[in-house]
Amino acid sequence: DAGVIQSPRHEVTEMGQEVTLRCKPISGHDYLFWYRQTMMRGLELLIYFNNNVPIDDSGMPEDRFSAKMPNASFSTLKIQPSEPRDSAVYFCASKPGAAYEQYFGPGTRLTVT
Amino acid sequence: GDSVTQMEGPVTLSEEAFLTINCTYTATGYPSLFWYVQYPGEGLQLLLKATKADDKGSNKGFEATYRKETTSFHLEKGSVQVSDSAVYFCALIPPLQTDSWGKLQFGAGTQVVVTP
Repeated sequence: DAGVIQSPRHEVTEMGQEVTLRCKPISGHDYLFWYRQTMMRGLELLIYFNNNVPIDDSGMPEDRFSAKMPNASFSTLKIQPSEPRDSAVYFCASKPGAAYEQYFGPGTRLTVT
Repeated sequence: GDSVTQMEGPVTLSEEAFLTINCTYTATGYPSLFWYVQYPGEGLQLLLKATKADDKGSNKGFEATYRKETTSFHLEKGSVQVSDSAVYFCALIPPLQTDSWGKLQFGAGTQVVVTP
């Protein structure tokens, strides 16, 4: 069984460019989470979806960040325009509704120069 | 608000040594408690959990007991291996609320380095 799939695994871009991170959750999981991990701030929840609907986006840093989940098998996190302080590892996680355990993807390491 | 505090790292120890990572929490009511582990270059994985007071979670030789008296969930392992080198995160989910269902609150993480 495939786990959570994220792409790309690494992204290097210049300040001001648009960045799109992608996530495919585990089939049958109806919750999807986006996290950001940095040395300074640790692991932060950015947004989460239930049945493709955004439930809590209070962790999204600012309007430059947006997330969508057009269907149960795909989600994107977009940063436009990107800034050097957005450099981090971004994780996607999913879980089935009745379970506690979240299943994390391998992460996307984003570097904005 | 609900929060988790865990000991700062890095924790460096020799193979076969005893490991303890302290974790305390602040929450209204009785949350569910978790330890996640992140191996280098990977995402987080659930290591163990406890969903009510006095429960003991265990997995891969690691144990943690939910202590409501001390609001703690310390992680222990009797004999660590080099392969246990990782970052360990204590986390909680608040008591069931519609707007926080499934929303994990993580501690800052503790890096553990095990040397041969």
